[in-house]
Amino acid sequence: DTAVSQTPKYLVTQMGNDKSIKCEQNLGHDTMYWYKQDSKKFLKIMFSYNNKELIINETVPNRFSPKSPDKAHLNLHINSLELGDSAVYFCASSQSGLAGVYNEQFFGPGTRLTVL
Amino acid sequence: DAKTTQPTSMDCAEGRAANLPCNHSTISGNEYVYWYRQIHSQGPQYIIHGLKNNETNEMASLIITEDRKSSTLILPHATLRDTAVYYCIVRVTNTGNQFYFGTGTSLTVIP
Repeated sequence: DTAVSQTPKYLVTQMGNDKSIKCEQNLGHDTMYWYKQDSKKFLKIMFSYNNKELIINETVPNRFSPKSPDKAHLNLHINSLELGDSAVYFCASSQSGLAGVYNEQFFGPGTRLTVL
Repeated sequence: DAKTTQPTSMDCAEGRAANLPCNHSTISGNEYVYWYRQIHSQGPQYIIHGLKNNETNEMASLIITEDRKSSTLILPHATLRDTAVYYCIVRVTNTGNQFYFGTGTSLTVIP
């Protein structure tokens, strides 16, 4: 069983289109994330949701809108796609804990988005 | 969260120990050291973490200096499948769970 899954694995689309990437985790975790890895391989956090509520929103254009219908899902919708949005997007999940309790993140396989 | 510095790349012979250093001279007392790795085209994978004591698990060992300003990840018997980018991250566990990944060390295990 895949712990954190993402669909689709590859996404090729034209500039200006709207697209969504889906993420599901079956680990029972209460926190989910979206990361972006650009062409220089730099991995940067975009959003974090805890119990379906947004807790981290880094400096990301408002064309990106995460949606968490339940704790096991965190989808990423992108409006008006631009060339610079081309990247690999990773979903991750973890279980929040008390201070001093580690809570490693489990990552999905990534979605490679190419905007033409 | 404290910044970390790592060598850009390293090579290691297959079967030998791979020692990956990380400097985190501005680490705070409540910040943990985490190590993740990313094998080509896959999502990052947790390896190990520690606060001040040395740690060991089935994947690796983590050696943290007494002043906590640096650490070393040790893969005791590197295999070709250990070829990956290794990220050293320091963070407080209760600050919203975010991890800030740096540029990491690209480890190549050579046959």
